[in-house]
Amino acid sequence: EIVLTQSPATLSLSPGERATLSCRASQSVSSYLAWYQQKPGQAPRLLIYDASNRATGIPARFSGSGSGTDFTLTISSLEPEDFAVYYCQQRSNWPRYTFGQGTKLEIK
Amino acid sequence: QITLKESGPTLVKPTQTLTLTCTFSGFSLSTSGVGVGWIRQPPGKALEWLALIYWNDDKRYSPSLKSRLTITKDTSKNQVVLTMTNMDPVDTATYYCAGVIPYYFDYWGQGTLVTVSS
Repeated sequence: EIVLTQSPATLSLSPGERATLSCRASQSVSSYLAWYQQKPGQAPRLLIYDASNRATGIPARFSGSGSGTDFTLTISSLEPEDFAVYYCQQRSNWPRYTFGQGTKLEIK
Repeated sequence: QITLKESGPTLVKPTQTLTLTCTFSGFSLSTSGVGVGWIRQPPGKALEWLALIYWNDDKRYSPSLKSRLTITKDTSKNQVVLTMTNMDPVDTATYYCAGVIPYYFDYWGQGTLVTVSS
């Protein structure tokens, strides 16, 4: 089973700053990786699929990169509504999906 | 507009069987490539994928929970049902259903909190 490790566990930044979140896979997942955003009391929302493609309606400040085992979610300039928990998820070991343990992005 | 909604008991006793229903609209489970999955999240913890059923009735389960899970679909009713046997307090979680259109969990229900307690 592929294990996804996200870092850091918590990231403290201020609005307007750039956020860089990491997801590392225990073995190659090619580009079959997604990122989700989850706010308190809400269901997750798909942000990025296949490593670098923004889902419908996702602002351009969100971008994804990487392939193989190392992936990055970048938020170019944080808006107040971006403070949330972010999860990566792979579908390479299809159809056994796995999620990372999450990164909490909090206001500094 | 695509919507999904989970329904079922909010409280189950240890050893009981949990049955959850996902009722969806805006897409069809008879369309090639489409699937509906279940994901859970214990309070304050990470997401965990449980099961997935595809348009062709192909079913997949989390290896760690496979022996306890059954997923079925009723295409005419736009529903997917998940059963989990032998519930334990560690299974207390919010259970989500989500549409896989076609590869990732593109659309999610609001989730339903299930508490396992005697």
